[in-house]
Amino acid sequence: DQQVKQNSPSLSVQEGRISILNCDYTNSMFDYFLWYKKYPAEGPTFLISISSIKDKNEDGRFTVFLNKSAKHLSLHIVPSQPGDSAVYFCAGGYNQGGKLIFGQGTELSVKP
Amino acid sequence: EPEVTQTPSHQVTQMGQEVILRCVPISNHLYFYWYRQILGQKVEFLVSFYNNEISEKSEIFDDQFSVERPDGSNFTLKIRSTKLEDSAMYFCASRPFEESYEQYFGPGTRLTVT
Repeated sequence: DQQVKQNSPSLSVQEGRISILNCDYTNSMFDYFLWYKKYPAEGPTFLISISSIKDKNEDGRFTVFLNKSAKHLSLHIVPSQPGDSAVYFCAGGYNQGGKLIFGQGTELSVKP
Repeated sequence: EPEVTQTPSHQVTQMGQEVILRCVPISNHLYFYWYRQILGQKVEFLVSFYNNEISEKSEIFDDQFSVERPDGSNFTLKIRSTKLEDSAMYFCASRPFEESYEQYFGPGTRLTVT
């Protein structure tokens, strides 16, 4: 069941440059989407969310873009910092109950 | 800053044994969840819990699984008779209220079934 897909298992970016992480979904019924960051041996940490009725949400260095016609969302990190190196998960969520459906994750490496 | 806590951090058990994984959600949160992540796979939803009852469960959450909020602060996941394929990281999460999107995750319990 591939409702949420992150097709790039890894991404390497130079410090100070932009990191763009991508996510595709097949289920148009999601009410919102979230991005989480995860370090080894820790639980996912919430980064940013976007309602399915919006197309952009920004919080500091993090911006999420939602393209509903393409069923695609992306997370932009500008500027990237070495501390951003982690696995990033996108997830789709439902207002009713709040169940989250996660993608496989993309491992971001930011090189100094 | 309030956080979700989970104990133990690592549990090793033999096949067929019962295990209880414990979670303390963030105080005043109303919605509670369990997820699991088998090594190398996605984080998968197991169950959601609200108002002292299960609101939704996945196909994974069969009769061997149960959840409980025994005392108003703890939230437990019990696996009655563990199988090898239950080996995974189990994450507890909580959400403050219905209009909020974000769920706050605990650090996880690594369950190893031998």
